[in-house]
Amino acid sequence: EIVMTQSPATLSVSPGERATLSCRASQSVNNKLAWYQQKPGQAPRLLIYGASTRATDIPATFSGSGSGTEFTLTISSLQSEDFAVYYCQQYNNWPLTFGGGTKVEIK
Amino acid sequence: EVQLLVSGGGLVQPGGSLRLSCAASGLTFSSSAMTWVRQAPGKGLEWVSGISASADNTFYADSVKGRFTVSRDSSKNTLYLQMNSLRDEDTAVYYCAKVGGGWYLVYWGQGTLVTVSS
Repeated sequence: EIVMTQSPATLSVSPGERATLSCRASQSVNNKLAWYQQKPGQAPRLLIYGASTRATDIPATFSGSGSGTEFTLTISSLQSEDFAVYYCQQYNNWPLTFGGGTKVEIK
Repeated sequence: EVQLLVSGGGLVQPGGSLRLSCAASGLTFSSSAMTWVRQAPGKGLEWVSGISASADNTFYADSVKGRFTVSRDSSKNTLYLQMNSLRDEDTAVYYCAKVGGGWYLVYWGQGTLVTVSS
């Protein structure tokens, strides 16, 4: 099983600032990496797939990069609606696995 | 608009069974691979099971293999998860999701809470 490790667990950021979230895989997942956003009481929402392709209706303030075992999600200028928990997920191997999440909170 | 309506959750005793349903609309269900993902209270996401569009292939997490069965009825645009021999650690919100071009999860249902407790 591929283990996905996200860091940091919590990120405190001021509105308008940039946030950089990391996701590391225990072995290569090529570029088969997705990012999701989850707000309290809601289902997750797909942000990024293929490591860097934005999903439909996702603003350009969200960008993904990386390949192999190291990946990054960048939120260029945090808006109030962006404070949430973010998960990465690999889909290169079975079983599908998620990272433990990064909570982005208001500083 | 894609909608995935999940139902069937509730309180069940350890060792009991439940069947979850996920009714899909706004998409071509018969050509969509689907998955189940769960989230224990206050915890992260855990993939549970997946099924190909044709239902020829099914996949399970080791934690549920042999106890849970995924199936689909394309005539009803509905995905199912039959859960048997339930354990305390199966307590979670269960989401269904539509798979994209790879096994990433494009659309998610609202989830249903399953509580396993005596």
